[in-house]
Amino acid sequence: GQQLNQSPQSMFIQEGEDVSMNCTSSSIFNTWLWYKQDPGEGPVLLIALYKAGELTSNGRLTAQFGITRKDSFLNISASIPSDVGIYFCAGHNDYKLSFGAGTTVTVRA
Amino acid sequence: DVKVTQSSRYLVKRTGEKVFLECVQDMDHENMFWYRQDPGLGLRLIYFSYDVKMKEKGDIPEGYSVSREKKERFSLILESASTNQTSMYLCASSVEGLESDTQYFGPGTRLTVL
Repeated sequence: GQQLNQSPQSMFIQEGEDVSMNCTSSSIFNTWLWYKQDPGEGPVLLIALYKAGELTSNGRLTAQFGITRKDSFLNISASIPSDVGIYFCAGHNDYKLSFGAGTTVTVRA
Repeated sequence: DVKVTQSSRYLVKRTGEKVFLECVQDMDHENMFWYRQDPGLGLRLIYFSYDVKMKEKGDIPEGYSVSREKKERFSLILESASTNQTSMYLCASSVEGLESDTQYFGPGTRLTVL
């Protein structure tokens, strides 16, 4: 499958902080997506991006589809405790999704 | 609301057993998928199906087979379970066509093979 490199692997957040994560690939994708997985649940779609250069927001989330179509980033502004979970980037080609390894977000004590 | 259900949340099996994981979706989706999720590796596609009785290998099909006899149901079969198949298994579904990128996931089955 196509390899997506997602970073960071994990991060600690303090309430109110902005957080950022990104994903790069050696392959071009037609669509980039960002999913979130809460403990004990399956991933849920947060944002889908369809055009190179596109910047899309969903509440406190902002994501961009890179110009080269090989990368994407996700920003979360003013984080809150329920933002904890695992965030996955995914690229879509030929009816299939290829996923990054995930970024685990934890609240800093 | 799309609902994807999986038959078990937790399953413990012994090495060599035949294991069936069942997935049902209620939105008349054409496409269905089976992934396994392991720490540090993300989700990896095992098999997918774009129609009844149709199946395609994903990235890691070895040791698995699938069955899709009805549109709403997609089964993953471990013919002879091994300890390296201990993992979280996620089922997903999507429509065909332009919106096929949006996959809806079930809650997962955490399988332990002893």
